[in-house]
Amino acid sequence: GAVVSQHPSWVICKSGTSVKIECRSLDFQATTMFWYRQFPKQSLMLMATSNEGSKATYEQGVEKDKFLINHASLTLSTLTVTSAHPEDSSFYICSARTGTGPTGYTFGSGTRLTVV
Amino acid sequence: DQQVKQNSPSLSVQEGRISILNCDYTNSMFDYFLWYKKYPAEGPTFLISISSIKDKNEDGRFTVFLNKSAKHLSLHIVPSQPGDSAVYFCAASAGTASKLTFGTGTRLQVTL
Repeated sequence: GAVVSQHPSWVICKSGTSVKIECRSLDFQATTMFWYRQFPKQSLMLMATSNEGSKATYEQGVEKDKFLINHASLTLSTLTVTSAHPEDSSFYICSARTGTGPTGYTFGSGTRLTVV
Repeated sequence: DQQVKQNSPSLSVQEGRISILNCDYTNSMFDYFLWYKKYPAEGPTFLISISSIKDKNEDGRFTVFLNKSAKHLSLHIVPSQPGDSAVYFCAASAGTASKLTFGTGTRLQVTL
């Protein structure tokens, strides 16, 4: 089946630095990818939707300049957390459209970001 | 505003018994509901779903029940197996092209 590879699985960075998270579709082309964030004991919250070759669509309340999303190819989407702060510490996970309808999503394994 | 709620953060069930995971929603526009299973360090994987035109969907050991009037759905696993130990997320969508709205998850532990 379809596989979405997400790296790194965990990262620790210092406040003020930037961190890049990659999601690759290994055996299919992903024209659309979704980025979620999950705080402890909370649900997966959609941050943005990225479409290959165009600008990402951000959900309300998500800072576009802080969470930079690039989807330059059909197999790679990246999320860069710029000038990270401790409150950005969270679990970030990507998902790709692999089919039609509500069941047509494949998720990456997630990235645990800790900002110290 | 948490539109999809899983009020039990954890559940422990003996092997062979039935596991019942519950989910409540508030948005009456939701017309499709899904359950995902997540192991540590892995992404969620799709388990089972149900359309709002149905009240039950069964797939092997897994059955999802939907009570639209109560805005409640539940996932039944029977018999429960140790390999079922994971975090289960309930999700909902409003329309086939709509984004998924997730609950907070319930951690299921199946004991021997």
